[in-house]
Amino acid sequence: AQSVTQLDSQVPVFEEAPVELRCNYSSSVSVYLFWYVQYPNQGLQLLLKYLSGSTLVESINGFEAEFNKSQTSFHLRKPSVHISDTAEYFCAGENYGGSQGNLIFGKGTKLSVKP
Amino acid sequence: ETGVTQSPTHLIKTRGQQVTLRCSSQSGHNTVSWYQQALGQGPQFIFQYYREEENGRGNFPPRFSGLQFPNYSSELNVNALELDDSALYLCASSLGNSPLHFGNGTRLTVT
Repeated sequence: AQSVTQLDSQVPVFEEAPVELRCNYSSSVSVYLFWYVQYPNQGLQLLLKYLSGSTLVESINGFEAEFNKSQTSFHLRKPSVHISDTAEYFCAGENYGGSQGNLIFGKGTKLSVKP
Repeated sequence: ETGVTQSPTHLIKTRGQQVTLRCSSQSGHNTVSWYQQALGQGPQFIFQYYREEENGRGNFPPRFSGLQFPNYSSELNVNALELDDSALYLCASSLGNSPLHFGNGTRLTVT
């Protein structure tokens, strides 16, 4: 089955600590991969994307994700989190063979940053 | 640059009724995609519209239908509402290979 799996539903962490949010995709999902962030009562905002090229992609606010084809993973990392990073994070992959914009999302990981 | 706007923000309907949700795409974007996000779940692809035609559909029954207008705005219509249709409905617009830009969604509650 085509799927994107986020292994942790909730991740609590203290401010300034490092964090990793895990994401694995099935082989039938295209390797166009994305991380979106959703703040309460808002829509999704694109955090970063992997389309091709360098396997390490970075966002403007310090997050990075590494595409690992052999492990079919696209984990999201940040070396030092802030209170403002508290949100729900969704990993997504383009549905292989589907139209562009047809994304398969994981169930999300709620990141809770504590002072 | 105007982002994606959706209306209404909240809606309560009774089982069996019909509902129409609206979406204005970001300026310059010609493609609109609709997603359903049930509580505690990730968004699920409903369908996409490009140049006023359906251009891909997810695993949703025919009572979920849509329209796209010449100005690229879009509607999502759901007939014969069921309790399980309660969800956040997200609209996203794009242009070519650009990533999706999401609106803040419409929260639909079916009682």
